[in-house]
Amino acid sequence: GAVVSQHPSWVICKSGTSVKIECRSLDFQATTMFWYRQFPKQSLMLMATSNEGSKATYEQGVEKDKFLINHASLTLSTLTVTSAHPEDSSFYICSATGTGELFFGEGSRLTVL
Amino acid sequence: GIQVEQSPPDLILQEGANSTLRCNFSDSVNNLQWFHQNPWGQLINLFYIPSGTKQNGRLSATTVATERYSLLYISSSQTTDSGVYFCAVLTGGFKTIFGAGTRLFVKA
Repeated sequence: GAVVSQHPSWVICKSGTSVKIECRSLDFQATTMFWYRQFPKQSLMLMATSNEGSKATYEQGVEKDKFLINHASLTLSTLTVTSAHPEDSSFYICSATGTGELFFGEGSRLTVL
Repeated sequence: GIQVEQSPPDLILQEGANSTLRCNFSDSVNNLQWFHQNPWGQLINLFYIPSGTKQNGRLSATTVATERYSLLYISSSQTTDSGVYFCAVLTGGFKTIFGAGTRLFVKA
């Protein structure tokens, strides 16, 4: 199957700093990428949908100024958590699709001290 | 919006047993997939199955789109099958919606 690479896998940062997470489709062109957040022992919650070259569509309750999403090319989307606070600590996962089937990155575990 | 419900929420099996996991969805969808989330959090694609039946080794899946459900069958379960199984749907509005998952534990 197709490969989606996400990094960093782990990141620890101080409160007030910004963190960028990258999601790359390695062997296919991803017309659409999704970003999710997962709390312990819960399901994945869709945060936003991004299409290459256009602004991301955020789900209700997700702060677009806090979670900046850029989908600059057909193989790369980035999620920047701005001015991170401890409550932003979570597991963030991206997925990509070109044909309708979703492929997921490995996830990024963010801890904000 | 579309609701995705999975059952059972938790399942404990003796190694070698068979099981069926269910996913119900409340409206028409463009795509349905089954995933296994391993202990490290990675989501492993099991099946891309908007309709019909597929098999891959000890796993098989069936989606009956007209009746809005999908089933995942695990035969001869192994301890390595433990983890959380999610179904996810892709809607006409190009949103992905996950079920709450089935947490499976296979005892040796």
